[in-house]
Amino acid sequence: DTEVTQTPKHLVMGMTNKKSLKCEQHMGHRAMYWYKQKAKKPPELMFVYSYEKLSINESVPSRFSPECPNSSLLNLHLHALQPEDSALYLCASRPLAGGPGGELFFGEGSRLTVL
Amino acid sequence: DQQVKQNSPSLSVQEGRISILNCDYTNSMFDYFLWYKKYPAEGPTFLISISSIKDKNEDGRFTVFLNKSAKHLSLHIVPSQPGDSAVYFCAASADAGGTSYGKLTFGQGTILTVHP
Repeated sequence: DTEVTQTPKHLVMGMTNKKSLKCEQHMGHRAMYWYKQKAKKPPELMFVYSYEKLSINESVPSRFSPECPNSSLLNLHLHALQPEDSALYLCASRPLAGGPGGELFFGEGSRLTVL
Repeated sequence: DQQVKQNSPSLSVQEGRISILNCDYTNSMFDYFLWYKKYPAEGPTFLISISSIKDKNEDGRFTVFLNKSAKHLSLHIVPSQPGDSAVYFCAASADAGGTSYGKLTFGQGTILTVHP
């Protein structure tokens, strides 16, 4: 299994809703990432989990709440989002958190629309 | 401050010819560089990478060249195929110290169109 699986693929939510994005990998990778990508822009890092611990938070607003329940799962809980949060949310994983080299494996993304 | 730049938003080439995509970076701490390919509504797919201790890495039709003194790298695709049409992102990381947790900084992307 060499995949990073993200669900749902599409999500439409209102500004008062609470929803979650899920990400799963079974490659034994110990680092997992959330990236956000707006149209015609590069992916931007949001969070990094290393060995199930939050290692990097790129000053993301608290309406985004990440969670890493175990080494295979990564969630992104969404609450009181704004329309400008509409974007493609990408999950990625990497074998080890630190050290040189090693590419990130990306999922297909969850397309979020906030009304 | 954009640390990784792809100055060409788009590139159009004929099938069978060479595609050359360029990338410049400003952060001298970057020591690992990657190219990703992305189709619409999909996540980026890793193509090829190069460590800063090398100046060339080749994988089939794809070759990446690194010029550290110029802080410049390029991706060569030979021969180009219509299926190569996608957005290509250059990315860089500063991982030698093991403290960046594999954080990638991406360029803006270049849309490659290969015409039959």
